[in-house]
Amino acid sequence: GENVEQHPSTLSVQEGDSAVIKCTYSDSASNYFPWYKQELGKRPQLIIDIRSNVGEKKDQRIAVTLNKTAKHFSLHITETQPEDSAVYFCAASTGGFKTIFGAGTRLFVKA
Amino acid sequence: DAGVIQSPRHEVTEMGQEVTLRCKPISGHNSLFWYRQTMMRGLELLIYFNNNVPIDDSGMPEDRFSAKMPNASFSTLKIQPSEPRDSAVYFCASSLARGLGEQYFGPGTRLTVT
Repeated sequence: GENVEQHPSTLSVQEGDSAVIKCTYSDSASNYFPWYKQELGKRPQLIIDIRSNVGEKKDQRIAVTLNKTAKHFSLHITETQPEDSAVYFCAASTGGFKTIFGAGTRLFVKA
Repeated sequence: DAGVIQSPRHEVTEMGQEVTLRCKPISGHNSLFWYRQTMMRGLELLIYFNNNVPIDDSGMPEDRFSAKMPNASFSTLKIQPSEPRDSAVYFCASSLARGLGEQYFGPGTRLTVT
């Protein structure tokens, strides 16, 4: 069945450094790739997404890249801040319906 | 818009009791999703509806779990009988099926079964 693998499971960086989280997916029909951030005790919230006809998308300190051939996509956070500390989930979707989530990456940003 | 509304926010019950979780999706959204989140298993999709019709319930763990969506503005997830291993945070999310696919999550219901 469909699967999304996410690495690493835990990531610790120094404030100001960059953080990279990588995901791979199995369903070649996937065409929508959202990233969600979940702070402790809160709900997951969308932070950025990318569609299959785009290779890269950037929003301030956050960027996502997509390699459809390799079925890889990544989240890049630059100039990390303590408030970036959270669990990040990648996901793959065939468009509006079933979305498969990765297992999550717990990011710690040390001040 | 108030966003996705879930109730109750916290539920503590004894093993064997029936538990009903409720969700009101964002008005105009026609897809609704129920997720379960635990430390061990992460975020699991249990079931999702499109236009009030269950599309995929392959994530429902057992027959003890059932979900309904009687109309576009209300859904329930029922566990009967509940067991301690059902303890988790249950999220409801909604989306526009014809949109980008972004899902808007509710605040979750933290269920504890003793």
